[in-house]
This record gives sequence, C-alpha cells and structure tokens, in this order.
Amino acid sequence: NAGVMQNPRHLVRRRGQEARLRCSPMKGHSHVYWYRQLPEEGLKFMVYLQKENIIDESGMPKERFSAEFPKEGPSILRIQQVVRGDSAAYFCASSPWGQFIQETQYFGPGTRLLVL
Amino acid sequence: AQSVTQLDSHVSVSEGTPVLLRCNYSSSYSPSLFWYVQHPNKGLQLLLKYTSAATLVKGINGFEAEFKKSETSFHLTKPSAHMSDAAEYFCVVSDESGANSKLTFGKGITLSVRP
Repeated sequence: NAGVMQNPRHLVRRRGQEARLRCSPMKGHSHVYWYRQLPEEGLKFMVYLQKENIIDESGMPKERFSAEFPKEGPSILRIQQVVRGDSAAYFCASSPWGQFIQETQYFGPGTRLLVL
Repeated sequence: AQSVTQLDSHVSVSEGTPVLLRCNYSSSYSPSLFWYVQHPNKGLQLLLKYTSAATLVKGINGFEAEFKKSETSFHLTKPSAHMSDAAEYFCVVSDESGANSKLTFGKGITLSVRP
C-alpha cells in the first residue's frame, strides 16, 4: 500500500517561471492538505482540498498560488512567476475523512523547490 | 486560534540518556495533539497522538508523551536515546474551531545524539 507520493522531489526554477507540484494521496484518501516549510521553520498550512473542491485556502498567498484536486489524477499546487522567496519544501498530506480532529494526516516526502 | 510553542530549538543528549522535548499549546477547544518526526530530507512520520483518551500516550520507537491540561503541555520523552533518534521533532495541534482538521505546527526541535 503506497503512501502519499509527491513529485518531483526536487525542482529548480528561475525567477518568473512556473512551478507545478504534484501529490497523489494514499489509496482510499479523498482529502489533501498542502503545507509549506520555510528554512528553519515549522510547516505552515496552505490549503485543504477534497475532490473537485477547495475547502479551506486560508493559508494560500493571495497571488500566484493556486491548487486543485481534480476528479481524476493527483492534486496540483501551482506557483506562477516564482520568486526567490518561494524557495521552500512543500509537503502534501492526505487523510480519509478530513472532518475529524482526531484523524491522522499522512505526509508525503515533500518537494524541495529552489528558485534561482 | 490554536498555537504551539516549542521553546527549545535544539536539544543535545548523549546516547543512552533520557530525552525530553518540550511543547506547550494554546487552544480554545479540546485539542488533538501530535508529535511528528522529520529525518533530514525526508517526509514527516507520526510518532504519536493524543485524542482525549488516555493522557499518557505511547508512540513508536519508545517515545511517549503526557497531556497535561493544567499546564497546557504535551512534552515528548524517551528513556534512552539512540543515534537514530537524531532528527527534527514537531509538536502539532488540531482543534475544533474550524470545519476541518487543519494542523498547526510548532517551529520544531532539532535533536542531536552524541555517541
């Protein structure tokens, strides 16, 4: 039973380019969360999605960032016109139900984005 | 809104000695609390979680944590450190204030284990 999968594991972009980060949740999980980890900091919540729905995007920057979780395929976190400050590790987590505070979120290995 | 404070950013112990990683939380509701471990360049692994059942929670790899509501603490302990325990440890809180189980992370503690 594969865990949460993220790709690519490492991504290098030049300023102004677009970055696309992919997350495939664990089998049977329909809830996906994206978190960002800046150097020397803990993870910060970005967005919570169910299939075809954005439930909570309160942690997403207002511009350049978007996320989707289509009916088929992985969840995508998209960063347009990247800047150096976007360099971070981006983690995806999934859970089966999403509505319960006791529920464990299972994390992927992360994508480490470096903007030159 | 909930928050997590991990006052120590770095803890260093000798192999075979006890480990204590401190965590204090703030929550308007009855929280669920978690400890996650992150090894270098790896994802996060759940060590243990508290969900309002027993206040002393046992996790993987010999770790345990005690929920103390009066002190708003959830410190992580292990009787005897191994070299393989060297990693980053995050205390995490999730509460009922929202409609989903959004997690709030502490800044993390780097645990070093000396031979």
